[in-house]
Amino acid sequence: GENVEQHPSTLSVQEGDSAVIKCTYSDSASNYFPWYKQELGKRPQLIIDIRSNVGEKKDQRIAVTLNKTAKHFSLHITETQPEDSAVYFCAAKHSGANNLFFGTGTRLTVIP
Amino acid sequence: GAVVSQHPSRVICKSGTSVKIECRSLDFQATTMFWYRQFPKQSLMLMATSNEGSKATYEQGVEKDKFLINHASLTLSTLTVTSAHPEDSSFYICSANTGGSAFFGQGTRLTVV
Repeated sequence: GENVEQHPSTLSVQEGDSAVIKCTYSDSASNYFPWYKQELGKRPQLIIDIRSNVGEKKDQRIAVTLNKTAKHFSLHITETQPEDSAVYFCAAKHSGANNLFFGTGTRLTVIP
Repeated sequence: GAVVSQHPSRVICKSGTSVKIECRSLDFQATTMFWYRQFPKQSLMLMATSNEGSKATYEQGVEKDKFLINHASLTLSTLTVTSAHPEDSSFYICSANTGGSAFFGQGTRLTVV
């Protein structure tokens, strides 16, 4: 099955700096890679996703890059704000499956 | 985005009793829903895949007789934790897919005393 690894497990940045979270996956058949933000005690919220037919996608301060050859994808948050503080999860899914395989999460802290 | 509603959000029960958690897709139909368990500061662990009109598919190590899943309609899946014990205390969360993306319920904080 799929195995998704995520790094780092914790990340602290100063407000205004950028944050980068990286994930790798093992199943070359995976073709959908979403990122979720989870605040304490709340549901994960989809913030951005990318499919394997593109290499980069951007939505305001958030961007995701995908390297299919190396089987890794990354989340980039620019101009971080305190409200970006949360746990971020990457995930992977391939077309033959319905379920997502999650990374272990990254706790991001943005220091004002 | 699509809306998945989960109830209750919190429940406290006594050891030995059963607890039912509901997961509803409010604005779309879901033939498949997923149930996860999340321990503090950890990732989401898939417990089972709920299939409308058929038996659920359980992940390895998850007791199907303890975690009963029923998916009787295209908008509702239920998870029943039977004969609950303190070690079942956790955050349970469901999800459903639509438009190629997964959407989560609010989660249920179960505490077994």
